[in-house]
Amino acid sequence: QVQLVESGGGVVQPGRSLRLSCEASGFTFSNFGIHWVRQAPGEGLECVAVIWYDGGNIYYADSVKGRFTISRDNSINTVYLQMSSLRVDDTAMYYCARDEGTGKLDPWGQGTLVIVSS
Amino acid sequence: DIQMTQSPSSLSASVGDRVIITCRANQSVSSYLNWYQQKPGKAPKLLIYAASSLQSGVPSRFSGSRFGTDFTLTISSLQTEDFATYYCQQSYSNPFTFGPGTKVDIK
Repeated sequence: QVQLVESGGGVVQPGRSLRLSCEASGFTFSNFGIHWVRQAPGEGLECVAVIWYDGGNIYYADSVKGRFTISRDNSINTVYLQMSSLRVDDTAMYYCARDEGTGKLDPWGQGTLVIVSS
Repeated sequence: DIQMTQSPSSLSASVGDRVIITCRANQSVSSYLNWYQQKPGKAPKLLIYAASSLQSGVPSRFSGSRFGTDFTLTISSLQTEDFATYYCQQSYSNPFTFGPGTKVDIK
């Protein structure tokens, strides 16, 4: 079945780096864009980065621009989110979600939790 | 970035009630508007896409409409499993943005 699985979350100190992975299965990965969406505890949803199916277009939210980098490896069906200069307010559950090009996000992974704390 | 608002922020309703949630964009998003349901501890789930198209597998009691830059999500007869938080999301321009959410709980 169509599935996305995130990994790489954990507890990290402010200013440090972390790399998240989103591994896909059950569909032709190279045909789809992937978004990273985060949700701080008790808060709403924020799209932080998106990469198109071929990596040709990439967008970031202003809150992470210059600190986060999204990339993909279509040979292993995986999207990455490299997070640098992490701040306490980056603490959140990070989800990846598939975008077929129409902008609807489906499905979503189960999420990976990032906690930035000293 | 396009800003999305939702009203109400929360509501209490009973099983069988008709529930309407409104979402507004601060500029035109055409019909690039999607609705999601999220239950505690779970990832969001797509309900409605392109303002009014029902995602496969979603019960027909859910429907969406567009009125210019205003959008509505209607649950025609609320069921127990519908108690959750609902988010609208514009997919007109990147990065996509979400409304702040509407929490539907039991009256």
